[in-house]
Amino acid sequence: ELKVEQNPLFLSMQEGKNYTIYCNYSTTSDRLYWYRQDPGKSLESLFVLLSNGAVKQEGRLMASLDTKARLSTLHITAAVHDLSATYFCAVALQARLTFGEGTQLTVNP
Amino acid sequence: SQTIHQWPATLVQPVGSPLSLECTVEGTSNPNLYWYRQAAGRGLQLLFYSVGIGQISSEVPQNLSASRPQDRQFILSSKKLLLSDSGFYLCAWSLGSQHEQYFGPGTRLTVT
Repeated sequence: ELKVEQNPLFLSMQEGKNYTIYCNYSTTSDRLYWYRQDPGKSLESLFVLLSNGAVKQEGRLMASLDTKARLSTLHITAAVHDLSATYFCAVALQARLTFGEGTQLTVNP
Repeated sequence: SQTIHQWPATLVQPVGSPLSLECTVEGTSNPNLYWYRQAAGRGLQLLFYSVGIGQISSEVPQNLSASRPQDRQFILSSKKLLLSDSGFYLCAWSLGSQHEQYFGPGTRLTVT
């Protein structure tokens, strides 16, 4: 059974600071996704990582994938309040995605 | 472009009542379709997925069922709701098993 663990589950940070969210998974997979969810809303796709060493960046967010370590990171640079949301990683196995529990990020002024 | 619709957006139902949630996708053919449930403050749990009309895979034993009567329509049903069925139900689609999943706006169900 594929297990996906995110940490931290809760993150409170100051604007302008940097931080990293980690996503570990238990079974070999070469596809990993990051999603964002605002309170009461659906999931919005952020990044698709398809191979070992893949790195994607969009604005203040950068995601990477190490399939050998079974680890993905989502790095936040110079956080701003608009990044406050819950972030999920999801690992693909055949036709299914298994989601982590999510990291609830709060960026304080 | 492709769009995904879900209705209703919110629903309050008493315990023991039936349920029918609908999901439709526009702008694509033969998508994979998925039903997820999200309990408050938790991650997503895959309930059902479908790779074609009449082909449904169930991931979790429960009192819910799914049907796919048309290529781009996915329905989640229950004959008798339980309190534990409360949650945020999300439908998603993808082009094949190797592709990214796109989520609908969701249905928030409260069972009282």
